[in-house]
Amino acid sequence: GAGVSQTPSNKVTEKGKYVELRCDPISGHTALYWYRQSLGQGPEFLIYFQGTGAADDSGLPNDRFFAVRPEGSVSTLKIQRTERGDSAVYLCASSRGLGEGYTFGSGTRLTVV
Amino acid sequence: GENVEQHPSTLSVQEGDSAVIKCTYSDSASNYFPWYKQELGKGPQLIIDIRSNVGEKKDQRIAVTLNKTAKHFSLHITETQPEDSAVYFCAARVNDYKLSFGAGTTVTVRA
Repeated sequence: GAGVSQTPSNKVTEKGKYVELRCDPISGHTALYWYRQSLGQGPEFLIYFQGTGAADDSGLPNDRFFAVRPEGSVSTLKIQRTERGDSAVYLCASSRGLGEGYTFGSGTRLTVV
Repeated sequence: GENVEQHPSTLSVQEGDSAVIKCTYSDSASNYFPWYKQELGKGPQLIIDIRSNVGEKKDQRIAVTLNKTAKHFSLHITETQPEDSAVYFCAARVNDYKLSFGAGTTVTVRA
């Protein structure tokens, strides 16, 4: 596609529920990244995929967070037992390869009530 | 890990004037420094970047300078226009993939 597409754009969920956030990267981009942006802050790294494998998941805050990219294109970020502190904008980015510049999507705004 | 500090947090300029945003980084191994512009409800958009083997780069009204010795880099916007109003983020990259971002600068261009 022309850009990185993230769905949904907004998600409101109740505390304790499970959510999935989807990212469609630019076609042909092998590297995919998830970042989290809290209000008034810069994005913070969560996880990096090269192809289908998670090359670095050191930014995931705890074991409630998990991400997959089974076919090397679309990725899903999964959050179990959501907490109010998980409320943030979740940004996905992709790049042609290692060391290349990122293109970000518009993000999913997650609100846990 | 890498720590990036960004100043000022807010900046108001008269249309036509220049805007300067400064960032410092902690890890001398950082080798790539992009700048992003973020408008309300959108993701960050890359506007210019510089690599550690270059001291300055310019693209029309925007320029970035890098001082590796002092570990700081700056964004300069000249002849500001109302459409330059946005939040700007600097970032630094140590390895080939992970960016560490500053906290952002909200730029307002007054007509």
